[in-house]
Amino acid sequence: DAGVTQSPTHLIKTRGQQVTLRCSPKSGHDTVSWYQQALGQGPQFIFQYYEEEERQRGNFPDRFSGHQFPNYSSELNVNALLLGDSALYLCASSSGTGVQDTQYFGPGTRLTVL
Amino acid sequence: AQSVTQLDSHVSVSEGTPVLLRCNYSSSYSPSLFWYVQHPNKGLQLLLKYTSAATLVKGINGFEAEFKKSETSFHLTKPSAHMSDAAEYFCVVSDLGGYNKLIFGAGTRLAVHP
Repeated sequence: DAGVTQSPTHLIKTRGQQVTLRCSPKSGHDTVSWYQQALGQGPQFIFQYYEEEERQRGNFPDRFSGHQFPNYSSELNVNALLLGDSALYLCASSSGTGVQDTQYFGPGTRLTVL
Repeated sequence: AQSVTQLDSHVSVSEGTPVLLRCNYSSSYSPSLFWYVQHPNKGLQLLLKYTSAATLVKGINGFEAEFKKSETSFHLTKPSAHMSDAAEYFCVVSDLGGYNKLIFGAGTRLAVHP
């Protein structure tokens, strides 16, 4: 049973460009959350998708947007990239949105903005 | 609002000696608390979780944590450190405001010396 997968593993972009990151949840999971982990810091919640809708959003600008597909996979899009967007982007999946539902994390996508 | 504070940014132990990673939480309600571990260039792995059942929670790889409401603490311990335990550890609280948004501490880097 595959766990959470993310692609690509690494990505290098320049300021002003746009990027799309992809996530496939663990089998049987219907909820996907995205987190940004800057170097030396703990992950910060970006947003969560359930039933193809953004259910909850953290303190991130509108440049960060997402999508969830009928098969529960998800994309994270970032427009007008800034140097400060350089980070590890983590996707997590769970089988619900309750506080006791364990979130399982993928290996992340390392984004470098030059 | 919920939050967690990890009291040590770095902890160094010798192989075979006990490990103690300290975490205090802030929550108006009975929280759901987690410890995750992150090995270099790897995703986050759940070590254990507390969800208001037993106050002493046993996790994987010999780790355990005790929920102490009077002290608002959720410290992670292991009787005997192994070289493979060297990693970054995150104390995490689930946001009771809705939908299982995870709030991470800043992390504690554990070094294990021979």
